[in-house]
Amino acid sequence: DIQMTQSPSTLSASVGDRVTITCRASQSIGIWLAWFQQKPGKAPNLLIYRASSLESGVPSRFSGSGSGTEFTLTVSGLQPDDFATYYCQHYASYSRGTFGQGTKLEIK
Amino acid sequence: QVQLQESGPGLVKPSQTLSLTCSVSGGSISSGDYSWTWIRQPAGSGLDYIGRVHTSGRTTYNPSLRSRLTISLDTSKNQVSLKLSSVTAADTAVYYCARERFRRGDLHPSLDYWGQGTLVTVSS
Repeated sequence: DIQMTQSPSTLSASVGDRVTITCRASQSIGIWLAWFQQKPGKAPNLLIYRASSLESGVPSRFSGSGSGTEFTLTVSGLQPDDFATYYCQHYASYSRGTFGQGTKLEIK
Repeated sequence: QVQLQESGPGLVKPSQTLSLTCSVSGGSISSGDYSWTWIRQPAGSGLDYIGRVHTSGRTTYNPSLRSRLTISLDTSKNQVSLKLSSVTAADTAVYYCARERFRRGDLHPSLDYWGQGTLVTVSS
């Protein structure tokens, strides 16, 4: 079973900052990685799929990169609405999807 | 616009079977190259992928739950069902249903639409 590890677990930042969250896979997963944003009491919202493709309607300040075992989510110019928890997920048709443990982005 | 809505008992006794339904509107669950998934989230914890059922009926389950789990399609009602037997307090969580789809050129399906989630508590 592939394991997904996110870092950091918590990240403190200010409005306007540029932040990066890392997700590492225990073995190569190609580009089959998605990023989600979740706010308290709400379902996760898809931001990025296929490692770097921006979901329709998602602001362009969100970007994803990486392949193989290391991936990043970058938010450029943090907005107040961006403070939330972020999850990466490896997805594959032959196995269950596996999520990272999450990164909580807090206001500094 | 596809919409998903989970429903079912909010309280289940230990050792009993947890049964949830996901009602889908805005599209048929039996057409297209989609999978219908269940994901859960214990309070204050991360997301746990439970399993999926493809429109073909093929299922993929989390190995840790496989012996207790059944996910199926009810095409007459356009609903997806989840049954988890022999529950314990560890199964207490918010349960989400969600859709996976193949985007053009993709080898694997990614999640796109989610329901709002339903809290299930396992307690006597």
